[in-house]
Amino acid sequence: QQQVKQSPQSLIVQKGGISIINCAYENTAFDYFPWYQQFPGKGPALLIAIRPDVSEKKEGRFTISFNKSAKQFSLHIMDSQPGDSATYFCAATTGNQFYFGTGTSLTVIP
Amino acid sequence: ETGVTQSPTHLIKTRGQQVTLRCSSQSGHNTVSWYQQALGQGPQFIFQYYREEENGRGNFPPRFSGLQFPNYSSELNVNALELDDSALYLCASNSRVGRTDTQYFGPGTRLTVL
Repeated sequence: QQQVKQSPQSLIVQKGGISIINCAYENTAFDYFPWYQQFPGKGPALLIAIRPDVSEKKEGRFTISFNKSAKQFSLHIMDSQPGDSATYFCAATTGNQFYFGTGTSLTVIP
Repeated sequence: ETGVTQSPTHLIKTRGQQVTLRCSSQSGHNTVSWYQQALGQGPQFIFQYYREEENGRGNFPPRFSGLQFPNYSSELNVNALELDDSALYLCASNSRVGRTDTQYFGPGTRLTVL
């Protein structure tokens, strides 16, 4: 059973556009929601993370929006750049257990 | 770079064989987690070690086992390899600040089982 559901599976965005990736979860015990960026041949790298007591967190061009009542959270990449082309994973954690979404392959077209 | 290293980079084994993958954690991190990432999927939690003891396990059979050493390096051992074990194996060392665990991933070992 997939603990964290992620969509879309793939995304193509023009340079300068906004990329939006969505995730949903069921387990209300999750207390930390990180996003990871993964380039081919590399391990995932932490991008940005949020706790459920906050509705939004922004770091540079990356913003997480969190809706606790709907049990949904999303990653927004503003002014998307070709260098942002990668696979993005959302995750949800409780204690020492991390559960990852299935990933979104983002392609930013110049 | 995360400071987490893994070896080997690639490995080819045949069904039924045994394999050992290695991970060197980031300095000062006493917790390491191992994940299996099948092609096109997110990482799946295998288990975690804290101070040389298993500290949580995902839905993987006992033929997946691990060790953590006093210097916090670790190993993932898989016995009786199956074709479905072909995947990228990731280790991550954990840093805890307050009640938050942040994971730093290594580049992974790509295992192919023929």
